[in-house]
Amino acid sequence: DIVLTQAPLSVSVTPGESASISCRSSKSLLSSKGITSLYWYLQRPGKSPQLLIYQMSNLASGVPDRFSSSGSETDFTLKISKVETEDVGVYYCGHRLEYPTFGGGTKLELK
Amino acid sequence: EVQLQESGPGLVKPSQSLSLTCSVTGYSITSSYRWNWIRKFPGNKLEWMGYINSAGSTNYNPSLKSRISITRDTSKNQFFLQVNSVTTEDTATYYCARWNYSGLDYWGQGVMVTVSS
Repeated sequence: DIVLTQAPLSVSVTPGESASISCRSSKSLLSSKGITSLYWYLQRPGKSPQLLIYQMSNLASGVPDRFSSSGSETDFTLKISKVETEDVGVYYCGHRLEYPTFGGGTKLELK
Repeated sequence: EVQLQESGPGLVKPSQSLSLTCSVTGYSITSSYRWNWIRKFPGNKLEWMGYINSAGSTNYNPSLKSRISITRDTSKNQFFLQVNSVTTEDTATYYCARWNYSGLDYWGQGVMVTVSS
């Protein structure tokens, strides 16, 4: 199994400031096709998860460019610039090699 | 617009089977992509359960493979989840979602299922 470990468990951010969330994989997420199989999702309170980032660094449709993601084959970072109220929720990293698994989630709150 | 909606009983007794339906509108489940079931446990953990693809083939989480089945009714554009021999550890919110090869792009609103006698 590929294990994804997220840090921190929670983060408190002043609106307008930036936040970063880390995701570490127990194995390389680089596929045989040269695609990095790393995805980021946000679950806002009372809502379903929504796709933010696909293939490590590509913004999903409709996602503001305040969100960005980068990384290597095993270590990844989601950065949120100029945090807004609508960014509150739980962030998950995920992959789809072998069979999909998710990180444990990082809760973002506002100060 | 693509929409998915889960339905099913909110309470299931231990040792019984859990059956859920995902109704899809705005896209035919036979056209393309993979149609997934994912659950979220109390405490935030997400678990991918399995999918059925547009051709009708299935793939399951190895930890659940012996207990679950995903099927479909193409005439109704629905797919289904059955989990056998449930225990309290199957208490979760269950989501259906579409995998479009660039991620899980459409999700249902989720249905909360409690396993309790």
